Order: sequence, then structure tokens, then C-alpha cells
Amino acid sequence: GQQLNQSPQSMFIQEGEDVSMNCTSSSIFNTWLWYKQDPGEGPVLLIALYKAGELTSNGRLTAQFGITRKDSFLNISASIPSDVGIYFCAGQSLDSYGKLTFGQGTILTVHP
Amino acid sequence: DAGVTQSPTHLIKTRGQQVTLRCSPKSGHDTVSWYQQALGQGPQFIFQYYEEEERQRGNFPDRFSGHQFPNYSSELNVNALLLGDSALYLCASTDRGSANYGYTFGSGTRLTVV
Repeated sequence: GQQLNQSPQSMFIQEGEDVSMNCTSSSIFNTWLWYKQDPGEGPVLLIALYKAGELTSNGRLTAQFGITRKDSFLNISASIPSDVGIYFCAGQSLDSYGKLTFGQGTILTVHP
Repeated sequence: DAGVTQSPTHLIKTRGQQVTLRCSPKSGHDTVSWYQQALGQGPQFIFQYYEEEERQRGNFPDRFSGHQFPNYSSELNVNALLLGDSALYLCASTDRGSANYGYTFGSGTRLTVV
């Protein structure tokens, strides 16, 4: 079955630093999504990518859909304390509408 | 505009019992998916309901079943509970006719099996 490898598993950074995390897949996806999950809450959609090579920004967040359709990355610039949380990538393939495959998550800690 | 609403928020059950979790989708959404999230893991897809039918199913045993009602709300039923079923159960909804995959997640139901 499809698997997503997300790295790094955790990051400890200083406020103001930039952050980069990525996901790789063993198979092709036609949609990549990036979510953030705070404790006790469900995942919240940050960025959605629908086309290979697509680069999309949402404020300080930038994500790219890899050319091979098997990878994606998320960058956060000038991190702030409220960026703390768990970030998940998720992919959806063309023949599995509605079925999202999630990565294991990246735990981000920002030190003021 | 209410988002996805799940109930109850927390639940404790004994091994072997049965449980029913409930989900009301975001207004305007007609498709509901259920996910299981074990501690420290990403959500795992259980199944999806659209037009009151199961459309997609993940790698979960038949003990996991569901239902969608005409008002698009949904239930997840788990029979013969095992200790390993302890997890956060998330419901996500979307508008199937939308060009964008705007999956909105609820805050989940934390199920503990003892």
C-alpha cells in the first residue's frame, strides 16, 4: 500500500528561524496537502497542491508539489511561537478520491 | 458557520463492548470520512461515505462499520472493542462537487478501551 515518509520527525528551533520539512511517497499522488494539528484538536489545512511543480504560499508558509509527484516540501519562514504544533503531509491519488494518506508528522518546537 | 462537530469528545469503554461515534459535517458538505489516529501517529483512513453509501474503505476489519444519514451526518460503529482500538477518531467532511479538496476535520473523539 501507499506509504508516506515525513522528515524530520521533530525540530527544535529559535524564534525567527526558517523551517523546512518534506514528505516522500512510494507511489504517485495527484494532490498533496499540508495540515497542522494542535493538541486536542483536529488537523487544520494549511496548503493544498494540485499540480506537479506547483509552488504555493500562504503567508509565511510555502509548499511545493514535486515534479515526480512522489514528494512535497513545506517551508515556514521567520518562525514564531504560535507555529508550535505537529505538521502532517497528506496525499491523495487519482483512483482514491477522499482517501488521504498521511505522513507520521513533524513535531515543531519554537523557542522564544 | 459551524465546522465539523463530533460527539462525544471523550469516551471510555471496556474491551469487548461496542461504541458509536457521531459526526455532523460542515454546512454545505455532503461527504464524510473517518480516520483513526493513534498516539504519535498520523491519521489512518477508515472509510468514506457519500450519498449514504460507503465509497472507499481503508485497511480496517469489519468490526468497523458506519452509516450516513439523509442530512449527511454520520456514525462510526466499532464492535468487540480491543485495547488497540484506543485512539483519537477524526471525522472529516468535504463538498464532493468542489474542485478543491477542502477537507475540514473535527476535533475528534478520544476513545479509551480498558
